[in-house]
Amino acid sequence: NAGVMQNPRHLVRRRGQEARLRCSPMKGHSHVYWYRQLPEEGLKFMVYLQKENIIDESGMPKERFSAEFPKEGPSILRIQQVVRGDSAAYFCASNRDSLGEQYFGPGTRLTVT
Amino acid sequence: QQQVKQSPQSLIVQKGGISIINCAYENTAFDYFPWYQQFPGKGPALLIAIRPDVSEKKEGRFTISFNKSAKQFSLHIMDSQPGDSATYFCAASKSGNNDMRFGAGTRLTVKP
Repeated sequence: NAGVMQNPRHLVRRRGQEARLRCSPMKGHSHVYWYRQLPEEGLKFMVYLQKENIIDESGMPKERFSAEFPKEGPSILRIQQVVRGDSAAYFCASNRDSLGEQYFGPGTRLTVT
Repeated sequence: QQQVKQSPQSLIVQKGGISIINCAYENTAFDYFPWYQQFPGKGPALLIAIRPDVSEKKEGRFTISFNKSAKQFSLHIMDSQPGDSATYFCAASKSGNNDMRFGAGTRLTVKP
């Protein structure tokens, strides 16, 4: 039973480009969460999604960031017009229901040059 | 708005010693308190978790102590081993609300 998968593991983008980060939850999990981790800091909640629905996006910057979790396929975190401050590790987690343990993926390390 | 404060930022312990990491929270609605272990280049993995109906939970060498009135909880690692060297994060959330708040992390180094 594969765990949470994220790709790419490393992503380098120039300022102004778009970054697309993908997350495939564990089998049987329909809840996905995205977190951002800056160096030497804890994880900051960004967004919580269920299939085809955004449940809570209170941690998501209002501009340039968007997330989706379509009926088929992985969840996507999209960052438009990236800036240097977007450089961070982005983790997704999934669980079977909202009360269950969150299982984390290995993360995508985004570097903006 | 930092709702979970974690200390120390880094910790060095000799092999066989006890590692203690502390966290304090602000929101009294939190009722789920997990600890995560993260190795370099990996995602966090749940280590142990507690709910406020108990004051202590032990799993192997890992123990969570919980003080509801003080709004504090701590992780104790007994007989610390070099393989325990990692970054540890405490977190807190409300049941059914998955906006989990993380502490800033403690980098633990266990010297052989």
